[in-house]
Amino acid sequence: GIQVEQSPPDLILQEGANSTLRCNFSDSVNNLQWFHQNPWGQLINLFYIPSGTKQNGRLSATTVATERYSLLYISSSQTTDSGVYFCAAKKTSGSRLTFGEGTQLTVNP
Amino acid sequence: NAGVTQTPKFQVLKTGQSMTLQCAQDMNHEYMSWYRQDPGMGLRLIHYSVGAGITDQGEVPNGYNVSRSTTEDFPLRLLSAAPSQTSVYFCASSYPNRGNTEAFFGQGTRLTVV
Repeated sequence: GIQVEQSPPDLILQEGANSTLRCNFSDSVNNLQWFHQNPWGQLINLFYIPSGTKQNGRLSATTVATERYSLLYISSSQTTDSGVYFCAAKKTSGSRLTFGEGTQLTVNP
Repeated sequence: NAGVTQTPKFQVLKTGQSMTLQCAQDMNHEYMSWYRQDPGMGLRLIHYSVGAGITDQGEVPNGYNVSRSTTEDFPLRLLSAAPSQTSVYFCASSYPNRGNTEAFFGQGTRLTVV
């Protein structure tokens, strides 16, 4: 199956700082998603981005499908951004969505 | 539009008991799946289905059964619960290979086996 690797595994920021999270995947994909798991355990869909660039407020994401990576940018971070960020990908020829192990983000006031 | 609905949200079982985790979606999605998430880890696929009457195993299927009699519902059965099945369980649905393939997740079921 497809391999999905995220980096860094842990990230600690001061409020107001910017950050970049990376997701590498091992095959061509027709689904690449970023999720935020909040402190209550809910998975929040951030971006559905198999290719290209999208922005939603302080968050943006870019997927370069030909080079098999995706980036999640968080600008002017807030304490409420804390939690685990997951990347998940699905091979174009498959049906399974495979998750990376996540980036644990802590934003300190 | 409710999306993906899981019940119950919390459950405590004794070792050896059986139970069914319910999952329903109202988006007419073909693909449904169950994941488990253990502390400090990502989500691992238990079972999945590409349509009514069709199911297959994921990475960690042992101890779990599934069936898909309708497009909307995909229950997960624990036949004889074990402490190793203490976890948070998520159900998801999507169109796997046409149009927008974005997956949507339920709110999770937190299961403790004592």
